[in-house]
Amino acid sequence: SAVISQKPSRDICQRGTSLTIQCQVDSQVTMMFWYRQQPGQSLTLIATANQGSEATYESGFVIDKFPISRPNLTFSTLTVSNMSPEDSSIYLCSVRGVEQFFGPGTRLTVL
Amino acid sequence: SQQGEEDPQALSIQEGENATMNCSYKTSINNLQWYRQNSGRGLVHLILIRSNEREKHSGRLRVTLDTSKKSSSLLITASRAADTASYFCATDGTSGTYKYIFGTGTRLKVLA
Repeated sequence: SAVISQKPSRDICQRGTSLTIQCQVDSQVTMMFWYRQQPGQSLTLIATANQGSEATYESGFVIDKFPISRPNLTFSTLTVSNMSPEDSSIYLCSVRGVEQFFGPGTRLTVL
Repeated sequence: SQQGEEDPQALSIQEGENATMNCSYKTSINNLQWYRQNSGRGLVHLILIRSNEREKHSGRLRVTLDTSKKSSSLLITASRAADTASYFCATDGTSGTYKYIFGTGTRLKVLA
């Protein structure tokens, strides 16, 4: 199993600003995944982050809006840029072993 | 899109009754997982079932998988109020991308 921590756990931000979410894993992993969960909805995959290469984004998500860094095998960041109220969601990072493990999430509210 | 759909979207039952949730998906898969999410909290992994398996049990949980119909079901027996939560299935396709795509979820409410 993997233990995943995220910072911050929650934040309230103003429209037009950016927030960087950090994800730390207690073991080395090749791939990390970032998901978004909008209020009352299921999880939607934003991108897959591999160490040493650019992230792969899912349809509807772009690097300019959600830049991702993956500097090493235990850490990744997701930035939500130029935020609007529609970006209010829970953002979760995840890693995969046999099962898929999730961090506790970052609850973002944009005013 | 690979996203699965879950049925029903919402389910309300009495404590002690069984709850069945269904998940349908669109593409061939390697694995299917079920998760629980209590309101406003993180995801709890329940069961993983591989594409070559047909049924798995864990405590009061029973999961079946029918790859010919691209569907899975989660049965919770003798439900408790603490089972009140949203339940999601997640599938990984066979394209080698290793990503899991989540279904739309079922909101279960168990009445005491």
